Amino acid sequence: KQEVTQIPAALSVPEGENLVLNCSFTDSAIYNLQWFRQDPGKGLTSLLLIQSSQREQTSGRLNASLDKSSGRSTLYIAASQPGDSATYLCAVIGGFKTIFGAGTRLFVKA
Amino acid sequence: GAVVSQHPSRVICKSGTSVKIECRSLDFQATTMFWYRQFPKQSLMLMATSNEGSKATYEQGVEKDKFLINHASLTLSTLTVTSAHPEDSSFYICSAVDGGKAASYEQYFGPGTRLTVT
Repeated sequence: KQEVTQIPAALSVPEGENLVLNCSFTDSAIYNLQWFRQDPGKGLTSLLLIQSSQREQTSGRLNASLDKSSGRSTLYIAASQPGDSATYLCAVIGGFKTIFGAGTRLFVKA
Repeated sequence: GAVVSQHPSRVICKSGTSVKIECRSLDFQATTMFWYRQFPKQSLMLMATSNEGSKATYEQGVEKDKFLINHASLTLSTLTVTSAHPEDSSFYICSAVDGGKAASYEQYFGPGTRLTVT
């Protein structure tokens, strides 16, 4: 049974800092891994989708890496801004079965 | 492209009544749709998978008679919470897979529906 763990559960950083969010999964037989952002009381915003054959994806200040063999993914946020404050969810996609991590609540202080 | 809408965005109902939530794919045909539930400060939990024209597949522990799912067309799936109780209060999110891009397994998520049962 696939289990997805996100560390840390919460993170508070000053504006401008570079940071790394971690996601680990127990079953390496995945199709894709996707990172989402969720603002309080809102739905999901897709940030990056990494297919199983890829090692990383980049979008603006965001970079996500995937290491299937070790069951790990990281989301790197460069030069963090207060607007980045949100919960970041990692989702592991095995066919049509998607398992979400519990999320990392990020707070960027101005 | 790849927009999924949900209606309503918020609903408050009395205990014992039924509530229907709609999930629509606006610019693609969704052969498969998913329904998730999210409790406060927790992650999303898959409730069921629905395929157009067939019965939904429910996850273990989800009452199929309480959470009725209908996927009658390639652009619409509905979730009906029957005889709602306060413990059904939650954030319900749907997602859809583009039938033309099914091989990518990418899901497009709706904005969610906040259900409050009083």
